[in-house]
Amino acid sequence: DTAVSQTPKYLVTQMGNDKSIKCEQNLGHDTMYWYKQDSKKFLKIMFSYNNKELIINETVPNRFSPKSPDKAHLNLHINSLELGDSAVYFCASSPRTDDYEQYFGPGTRLTVT
Amino acid sequence: GQNIDQPTEMTATEGAIVQINCTYQTSGFNGLFWYQQHAGEAPTFLSYNVLDGLEEKGRFSSFLSRSKGYSYLLLKELQMKDSASYLCAVRTGGFKTIFGAGTRLFVKA
Repeated sequence: DTAVSQTPKYLVTQMGNDKSIKCEQNLGHDTMYWYKQDSKKFLKIMFSYNNKELIINETVPNRFSPKSPDKAHLNLHINSLELGDSAVYFCASSPRTDDYEQYFGPGTRLTVT
Repeated sequence: GQNIDQPTEMTATEGAIVQINCTYQTSGFNGLFWYQQHAGEAPTFLSYNVLDGLEEKGRFSSFLSRSKGYSYLLLKELQMKDSASYLCAVRTGGFKTIFGAGTRLFVKA
């Protein structure tokens, strides 16, 4: 029944490793997003995809690479993890790009040691 | 630049009314949103304003003045479960949603 799901919920890893976070939505939405929420609770957009196509790409290091195999999935792969990558990553979706309500997943708490 | 300002913290008493203000300066405007986020959980949508005026939804109301770059969220008949962070967010001209840092509301008995 979960509308937007993310795995894993917690991820603890060492600097320099490569990791992936998966996101799936079963709402039939066209648009999906990745947000990063740091320790100060700022929620910042990283990427947005509409029907598998990238439409928003904020100033995010190249180490972050989103992949959308279909419109129900938007995965986030991170290479060469750094301490500053520690944060909560939220996936979200909306029916269309211009729809106002976004539905958020439960978040993935990433800790880089 | 893009800027959204809201108070960091507020405290109110159960049963009372609280108003959380938000001011914004963004490149373009396509709507203002309020989200509620309980500690350790995902944000959930509360309200949306694109035209000036007041939108009411049960105990929650949201107001917008586009000319002043100002909005507020009004919570009535406060309950303990309303203790959470309230995020003001603006959709810009490029349909990008920018979030404020959030206001942590503490409701005391």
